[in-house]
Amino acid sequence: DQQVKQNSPSLSVQEGRISILNCDYTNSMFDYFLWYKKYPAEGPTFLISISSIKDKNEDGRFTVFLNKSAKHLSLHIVPSQPGDSAVYFCAASAANTNAGKSTFGDGTTLTVKP
Amino acid sequence: DTGVSQDPRHKITKRGQNVTFRCDPISEHNRLYWYRQTLGQGPEFLTYFQNEAQLEKSRLLSDRFSAERPKGSFSTLEIQRTEQGDSAMYLCASSFELPGYGYTFGSGTRLTVV
Repeated sequence: DQQVKQNSPSLSVQEGRISILNCDYTNSMFDYFLWYKKYPAEGPTFLISISSIKDKNEDGRFTVFLNKSAKHLSLHIVPSQPGDSAVYFCAASAANTNAGKSTFGDGTTLTVKP
Repeated sequence: DTGVSQDPRHKITKRGQNVTFRCDPISEHNRLYWYRQTLGQGPEFLTYFQNEAQLEKSRLLSDRFSAERPKGSFSTLEIQRTEQGDSAMYLCASSFELPGYGYTFGSGTRLTVV
């Protein structure tokens, strides 16, 4: 039972355009959602997070949107740059029950073409 | 502080041998996590520590796996009687005890069991 799903294994966009990465979850106990970026031969790097009491969080070119009723979140990257090419993981945690332990999706590989 | 360090970066071992990995977290972080990642999948939770206490262990973790974090500093993950199915990337991460606080991952230890 995969509680965090990223249904698109890959995404390709042109430099300067918007990248939209999607994530769905099933566990209604999740109250924090995080996005990580991973380059080859490195560990994942934390990008941005959102609490379940919010529906949007923005940090520079990165914005995360949360739709609790649909159990869906998305990461928008605007404008996309070639250096954004990486694997993006969505993660979720339930602070009150799992003390910060995160459950990860399987990732989406983003390719930004110059 | 230079981040989370993992040693070794790569380990090749014969089936049936024991292996031990080390993780040095960010010193200010009181939480330490071990995850395992196989190709095409997201990080899978193994276990975590708050200071020196091991608070949770995944049901997926067999008795061949053991982790320690003496004195709440570095941690070790030992796999006894390795099997080919243990081949994976083993990731260590550390974090503050704050809801929604992102992990800082190390670069991982790539284990290959032949």
